[in-house]
Amino acid sequence: GAGVSQSPSNKVTEKGKDVELRCDPISGHTALYWYRQSLGQGLEFLIYFQGNSAPDKSGLPSDRFSAERTGGSVSTLTIQRTQQEDSAVYLCASSSPPGGYTFGSGTRLTVV
Amino acid sequence: DAKTTQPPSMDCAEGRAANLPCNHSTISGNEYVYWYRQIHSQGPQYIIHGLKNNETNEMASLIITEDRKSSTLILPHATLRDTAVYYCIGHRSSNYKLTFGKGTLLTVNP
Repeated sequence: GAGVSQSPSNKVTEKGKDVELRCDPISGHTALYWYRQSLGQGLEFLIYFQGNSAPDKSGLPSDRFSAERTGGSVSTLTIQRTQQEDSAVYLCASSSPPGGYTFGSGTRLTVV
Repeated sequence: DAKTTQPPSMDCAEGRAANLPCNHSTISGNEYVYWYRQIHSQGPQYIIHGLKNNETNEMASLIITEDRKSSTLILPHATLRDTAVYYCIGHRSSNYKLTFGKGTLLTVNP
């Protein structure tokens, strides 16, 4: 597609439930990133995929968070046993370095 | 990433050029200057980037000083939809942990 597509755009979940967030990057972009942004805060790096290399997971805040990228394209971010502090906008971006990042519109996650 | 300094806010009249400055005096030779913006409640949007030469695309122009210590983003004919926070970043393309500073809130007035 023309841009980075994320789904769902909004997700309200009960504390303790698992959620899956999906990202479709721009075709041909080798790099894919997940960030999150809490209300009024800056970007927080979560995970980075580059081609067939092992992903950099150093930004994942806990072992409840995991992500995979299948076939070098679509990525899924999974949060298990959600907590209220997980509430944020989860942003996916892709790029073909040194080009800039193209961000999706994000998934607004609310844990109640 | 290089430390950047931007004014916290600017105003611009609709239809006029918006010139947004950025100081990055500690930028290293392999760091690009990237500009992004974020409109309220939306994801960040890439605008333009450059290394040494001035750059222009359909959205904006980027003027980088010869010593690379500062740059200016130019929106040639600002519209109300250009109201956003604009972020200047000095960034190596191999460094994927993007960090935004406080940026400049540009308000385009009718």
